Amino acid sequence: DVKVTQSSRYLVKRTGEKVFLECVQDMDHENMFWYRQDPGLGLRLIYFSYDVKMKEKGDIPEGYSVSREKKERFSLILESASTNQTSMYLCASSSRDSGLYEQYFGPGTRLTVT
Amino acid sequence: QKEVEQNSGPLSVPEGAIASLNCTYSDRGSQSFFWYRQYSGKSPELIMSIYSNGDKEDGRFTAQLNKASQYVSLLIRDSQPSDSATYLCAANNAGNNRKLIWGLGTSLAVNP
Repeated sequence: DVKVTQSSRYLVKRTGEKVFLECVQDMDHENMFWYRQDPGLGLRLIYFSYDVKMKEKGDIPEGYSVSREKKERFSLILESASTNQTSMYLCASSSRDSGLYEQYFGPGTRLTVT
Repeated sequence: QKEVEQNSGPLSVPEGAIASLNCTYSDRGSQSFFWYRQYSGKSPELIMSIYSNGDKEDGRFTAQLNKASQYVSLLIRDSQPSDSATYLCAANNAGNNRKLIWGLGTSLAVNP
């Protein structure tokens, strides 16, 4: 079974803080994704990575950056947290080997910025 | 703008009935389609994948794909209260297969 883990289930940060969200997958998947999910807006792609040190912007990259130094780990960084970044953050991974690029999700991190 | 559209619901069915969830997509180049189940406060869980026209069955779940009509559906037979969740439909982005285009989800309530 694919296992995707995220560093925290719940996180509370103050406005202006730098925030790190970590994601680790154990299935040697080459693709990893960061989404945020808000009521009524669905899943929105922030960034994704298709190889170590490679990344592409998603639909809403502003205010975020990412890092992928090892294949199994993908980090999302909020450079200066703002209240409008309060959301559920979801990490996912996929592989070309499955043929269908099915994405598998971690449990999510609910971030509150006060 | 590539889109996947779903009726937001809520769809309410009695226990034991068949629940029918529908999805249309705009990207004619999409080849792979997915149904995810998401319980409140939890992350999406993959329940079905389909890429050929026709039906694909897995236990109580049947996915149906009609590429000519750009239509995907999910049937849940013998619905149980534990099936109450939001169901997300997704299609691969033909311009970049790694990415998926997501619908907003249909809320399903199965009443005992």
